[in-house]
Amino acid sequence: GENVEQHPSTLSVQEGDSAVIKCTYSDSASNYFPWYKQELGKRPQLIIDIRSNVGEKKDQRIAVTLNKTAKHFSLHITETQPEDSAVYFCAASKDQAGTALIFGKGTTLSVSS
Amino acid sequence: GAVVSQHPSWVICKSGTSVKIECRSLDFQATTMFWYRQFPKQSLMLMATSNEGSKATYEQGVEKDKFLINHASLTLSTLTVTSAHPEDSSFYICSARVLVDYGYTFGSGTRLTVV
Repeated sequence: GENVEQHPSTLSVQEGDSAVIKCTYSDSASNYFPWYKQELGKRPQLIIDIRSNVGEKKDQRIAVTLNKTAKHFSLHITETQPEDSAVYFCAASKDQAGTALIFGKGTTLSVSS
Repeated sequence: GAVVSQHPSWVICKSGTSVKIECRSLDFQATTMFWYRQFPKQSLMLMATSNEGSKATYEQGVEKDKFLINHASLTLSTLTVTSAHPEDSSFYICSARVLVDYGYTFGSGTRLTVV
């Protein structure tokens, strides 16, 4: 089955700096890669996703890149703000009905002002 | 957008009792529901996949006789934690895939505390 590795587990940056979180996946058939932000005790919130027919996707300060050959994808947050502090999870799945998301172990991002 | 309603939000039960968690898809038909468990400061771990009208598929290491899953209709899936013990205390969350765009929607989660 799919296995998703995520690094780093914790990341501390200064406000205004960029943050990068990286994930690798094992199943070459996976083709859907979302990123979630989760607050304590709440459901994961989708912040951006990418499918395997695209190499990069951007939404304001957030971008995701995908390297299918190397089986890794990354989340980039630019101009970080204190409110970006949260736990971030990457995930992977096949783009077909009945397949579950498999999550990475998460990254705790702390943005200090 | 597609909404999954999960109840209860939190529950405290005594050791040895059973607890049922419900997830309802409100504006779409969820043929498949995924159940996850999340321990503090850990990731969401897939427990099982439930399919309407058939037996659930459990991940390795998850006891199917302890975590009973029922998916009797296209809008309701339930997870029953039987003979709960303190080590079952966790955050349980369901998820369904929305076929229109193949994204996923999540329930709000259930915080289970077994005392």
